Amino acid sequence: DTGVSQNPRHKITKRGQNVTFRCDPISEHNRLYWYRQTLGQGPEFLTYFQNEAQLEKSRLLSDRFSAERPKGSFSTLEIQRTEQGDSAMYLCASSPSSHPYNEQFFGPGTRLTVL
Amino acid sequence: LAKTTQPISMDSYEGQEVNITCSHNNIATNDYITWYQQFPSQGPRFIIQGYKTKVTNEVASLFIPADRKSSTLSLPRVSLSDTAVYYCLVGFKAAGNKLTFGGGTRVLVKP
Repeated sequence: DTGVSQNPRHKITKRGQNVTFRCDPISEHNRLYWYRQTLGQGPEFLTYFQNEAQLEKSRLLSDRFSAERPKGSFSTLEIQRTEQGDSAMYLCASSPSSHPYNEQFFGPGTRLTVL
Repeated sequence: LAKTTQPISMDSYEGQEVNITCSHNNIATNDYITWYQQFPSQGPRFIIQGYKTKVTNEVASLFIPADRKSSTLSLPRVSLSDTAVYYCLVGFKAAGNKLTFGGGTRVLVKP
């Protein structure tokens, strides 16, 4: 499978715990994006990487959220001190720089439930 | 960013054509119109994009009138597997790095 992969697919945690999600983009896609989607809503942009550089962050990404892409390949999204409001689907997308930004390839998402 | 308005939901039957209209009254000169499809428990999937007139691919057609203040996604002869949420997005093709999704249109295809 050469699509975007995300792990884990589901995560249940207790309030106050830290969680980390991983995204493996399509090989050679140098752009990587994170989005958050709550029930009944469209995805909301969180952050964007061009290779290993984090170039843009949404205000949604509070100081409890951090994302990395250390070698310009896979990326991780960490949420510290989780809150019930963090329960959502976290989506990763990638695209090659040869594509316009509006053609992004999404992974299946990681569904987070904070109890 | 141009705001988009689309119906919340639509019902259809297998074999029918489904047309979803999106309004984007304040679309800018450089903006393109892009549509994504999302199945339950999956990430969105790019369907089609266009700037003006008509664009057709193996999945859908996109009709854009001359004033570009609206666009219509047309899904020919839908099947049950076309049941999904369809999002209309408007933005500049080469600028900015984030997709801005609205609430989408939930299409239910019935047998």
